[in-house]
Amino acid sequence: GNSVTQMEGPVTLSEEAFLTINCTYTATGYPSLFWYVQYPGEGLQLLLKATKADDKGSNKGFEATYRKETTSFHLEKGSVQVSDSAVYFCALTLMNYGGSQGNLIFGKGTKLSVKP
Amino acid sequence: SAVISQKPSRDICQRGTSLTIQCQVDSQVTMMFWYRQQPGQSLTLIATANQGSEATYESGFVIDKFPISRPNLTFSTLTVSNMSPEDSSIYLCSAGRSLGYNEQFFGPGTRLTVL
Repeated sequence: GNSVTQMEGPVTLSEEAFLTINCTYTATGYPSLFWYVQYPGEGLQLLLKATKADDKGSNKGFEATYRKETTSFHLEKGSVQVSDSAVYFCALTLMNYGGSQGNLIFGKGTKLSVKP
Repeated sequence: SAVISQKPSRDICQRGTSLTIQCQVDSQVTMMFWYRQQPGQSLTLIATANQGSEATYESGFVIDKFPISRPNLTFSTLTVSNMSPEDSSIYLCSAGRSLGYNEQFFGPGTRLTVL
């Protein structure tokens, strides 16, 4: 079946450290891949996405590249800030027959805490 | 993009009662979904809300417990029926468009506590 596996948290970093959160997926067909972020007490926000192999999604200094050969979509940021403290979810979706959008399948989430 | 609002934002309910959560989208969307996020956990899909027909439920979720309505392309409701403390969760509505536009937008969620 379709699934997403992401690294267990929590992850604690100092400000300006390099961040990597690993995400791998299993999917039948050709999924679109997403990273969502959930700040404390808030709803889910789309951080970035990639819809086909070798695409790179980027936003707010975060990047992730869709690697079909390794079925991965690792999230990276060169220099984290305290304001990046949140829970990060990797997710995929597949198109249904007829082109309609399928639901999102989420990883378990990785909690990031950035200390000043 | 689409802006999604949910009501109520939070509620505290007694065991055995029911709560209806409303989800409003500011533009017409094809797909609407309801997810549950239990404390400290990831999101689990409850059902796909189909406009003009019965919702499609995921394994482990049934219509009697989570009846869903979708009367038009911008609105849906989820009812949590005969609640127990195990239903305490955040319930999120999401919406997306079809035919290649594969981004989904989420509402702020409804935080439900059942005593």
